[in-house]
Amino acid sequence: QQQVKQSPQSLIVQKGGISIINCAYENTAFDYFPWYQQFPGKGPALLIAIRPDVSEKKEGRFTISFNKSAKQFSLHIMDSQPGDSATYFCAASKSYKLSFGAGTTVTVRA
Amino acid sequence: NAGVTQTPKFQVLKTGQSMTLQCAQDMNHEYMSWYRQDPGMGLRLIHYSVGAGITDQGEVPNGYNVSRSTTEDFPLRLLSAAPSQTSVYFCASSYSKGGSSAFFGSGTRLTVV
Repeated sequence: QQQVKQSPQSLIVQKGGISIINCAYENTAFDYFPWYQQFPGKGPALLIAIRPDVSEKKEGRFTISFNKSAKQFSLHIMDSQPGDSATYFCAASKSYKLSFGAGTTVTVRA
Repeated sequence: NAGVTQTPKFQVLKTGQSMTLQCAQDMNHEYMSWYRQDPGMGLRLIHYSVGAGITDQGEVPNGYNVSRSTTEDFPLRLLSAAPSQTSVYFCASSYSKGGSSAFFGSGTRLTVV
C-alpha cells in the first residue's frame, strides 16, 4: 500500500492560473517532504522540499504548504505557464528511503 | 559533471533472459537506490545501498539483485526476466542521510515479452 496518497491524478489549468496538488501521509516518522517534477522521457528532478517543522516554503512560483497535525502537504503553482506542464510527485523520506505519491499530470493550456 | 548515468536507455528482453542495468554516479554520493515507475503507482523502491559493500531491500525487491563494489557504481540485475518487470527503471543517488534530495538518472525503459 502506498504510504503517500496524492491527488488529483491529473489537472488542467489555464495559463496564469493556480495549480494545487495535495498529498497525505500516515507515518509520523517521515522527516523530509520533497516534490519532484518529471518531463516525458526524463528522470524526476527536485523542485522544492520542506521539513515538518516549517508550515510553508516558497521558491519563485512554487509553494509548499505543510500541515503536520493533519499529516497533509500541498504544492501550489502560481501563475502557471505552459512550461510547467509535467508530472509532479510528492514524496516523504525517512532516513535514506523515499516513498512517492502516485503522481499528478499537470497540463497548462495557453 | 555527468551526475547519474544509466545504461541502456531502452531494452527488450524475452521472458527468462537475464540482464544488468547499469548505474554510475560521479558525485561521490554515499546513498544509491533503484526505483521502478509504473503508471498510476509513482516510483517504488527496489533496492538501495548506503555505501560500498552495503545493500538492502526496498519495497519491491523480488526478482532483482544488486551489489555495490564501488561508491560510483550500483548495477541492478534481473536474473530471469518476467513480463511483470516491464517498467521504467530509475537509479538515484544522494549525499547524506535523511533530508537529502535524490538525484535521478534519465531511466531505462525495459520491455519483457
